[in-house]
Amino acid sequence: NAGVTQTPKFRVLKTGQSMTLLCAQDMNHEYMYWYRQDPGMGLRLIHYSVGEGTTAKGEVPDGYNVSRLKKQNFLLGLESAAPSQTSVYFCASSPSRAKQFFGPGTRLTVL
Amino acid sequence: AQSVTQLGSHVSVSEGALVLLRCNYSSSVPPYLFWYVQYPNQGLQLLLKYTSAATLVKGINGFEAEFKKSETSFHLTKPSAHMSDAAEYFCAVSDTGFQKLVFGTGTRLLVSP
Repeated sequence: NAGVTQTPKFRVLKTGQSMTLLCAQDMNHEYMYWYRQDPGMGLRLIHYSVGEGTTAKGEVPDGYNVSRLKKQNFLLGLESAAPSQTSVYFCASSPSRAKQFFGPGTRLTVL
Repeated sequence: AQSVTQLGSHVSVSEGALVLLRCNYSSSVPPYLFWYVQYPNQGLQLLLKYTSAATLVKGINGFEAEFKKSETSFHLTKPSAHMSDAAEYFCAVSDTGFQKLVFGTGTRLLVSP
């Protein structure tokens, strides 16, 4: 099993550009999550999904959109990137109310 | 709303010394509590979790944590630090629906020879 994978690992964008981050899991987990990690602020939840076709807002959803068309994939989109979205983005999945399994992260820089 | 507070953004210990990382939680219902570790340039890995069974929880790599309801604490300890323990540690609490986690701001553990 590959676990949770994230694509790409690194990306540099200019202000106003758009991009999509892909998260994939091969563990048949129902729940999937997108977090951002910033120095001194821990992990903050952007959006999450409790099953295929469902999404919900987390703590910091503004400027991001998500889709969960397939159970194994959870996409995070930035329609018009801003420098404030420079961060490390982590995806996680979970089978239930138990532990979350994290991907390796995507480091995004917006100039 | 659920929240966690981690006291100390950095903790320094010598190799072989006791490790104590502090976490206090706020929850309106009996919580699930977690400790995760993040090594440089990696994702988070679960160290241990408390899910209302035994109050003393043992995790991987010799770490353990004790749930103290009266103190609303879930401190992480290890009797003897190793150089490989140098990492960032995050405490987390489940939300009331047990669907989401709320993370603390993290504590970076530094281990000196």
